[in-house]
Amino acid sequence: AQSVTQPDIHITVSEGASLELRCNYSYGATPYLFWYVQSPGQGLQLLLKYFSGDTLVQGIKGFEAEFKRSQSSFNLRKPSVHWSDAAEYFCAVGASGSARQLTFGSGTQLTVLP
Amino acid sequence: NAGVTQTPKFRILKIGQSMTLQCAQDMNHNYMYWYRQDPGMGLKLIYYSVGAGITDKGEVPNGYNVSRSTTEDFPLRLELAAPSQTSVYFCASSPRAGGGTNTGELFFGEGSRLTVL
Repeated sequence: AQSVTQPDIHITVSEGASLELRCNYSYGATPYLFWYVQSPGQGLQLLLKYFSGDTLVQGIKGFEAEFKRSQSSFNLRKPSVHWSDAAEYFCAVGASGSARQLTFGSGTQLTVLP
Repeated sequence: NAGVTQTPKFRILKIGQSMTLQCAQDMNHNYMYWYRQDPGMGLKLIYYSVGAGITDKGEVPNGYNVSRSTTEDFPLRLELAAPSQTSVYFCASSPRAGGGTNTGELFFGEGSRLTVL
């Protein structure tokens, strides 16, 4: 069965500092990987996704993520964090063609200090 | 640009009561989903649908029912509410990709917070 682990429950960074959120997955084949962001009181919004090809993917709001097959990881990065990035971030793994097989991690809460 | 609309946003139920959470999308998406979100647990899939008239169970379907009579609507029914169903419920939809597969990009509603006392 597929699974997703986000080791960090809560991360605090200062505005302007760099950010890396960790995501490790378990999946039997080449996975489809996603990062979603959830602002307080809102639904989730897709930040970026990896299906195939270039292992470094760019997303919205200046985020990027790198797929590393050897480490089963898909970490999310941003060079300079803005106060508006404070939110909860979810990594997810899925399989093409299967609507039910999108598994979410437990989330990482990001706090941004002024 | 309504996207995915969920109603109600908040509801308090007594144990044993029933209710329906409504979900509608105006993007003509084939796939629709219901998730529940509990603190520190991520999202768990309750039910999903790949098109009108077709539904299937997700990871945590017990105590819930769904129907999909139209492409736009995907209501979630709670029968005999229990405290364990206290949660935030999210409806989502997804477009069909080429080849009949699912792109995996979900469009979420704003959620319905349900408390069962």
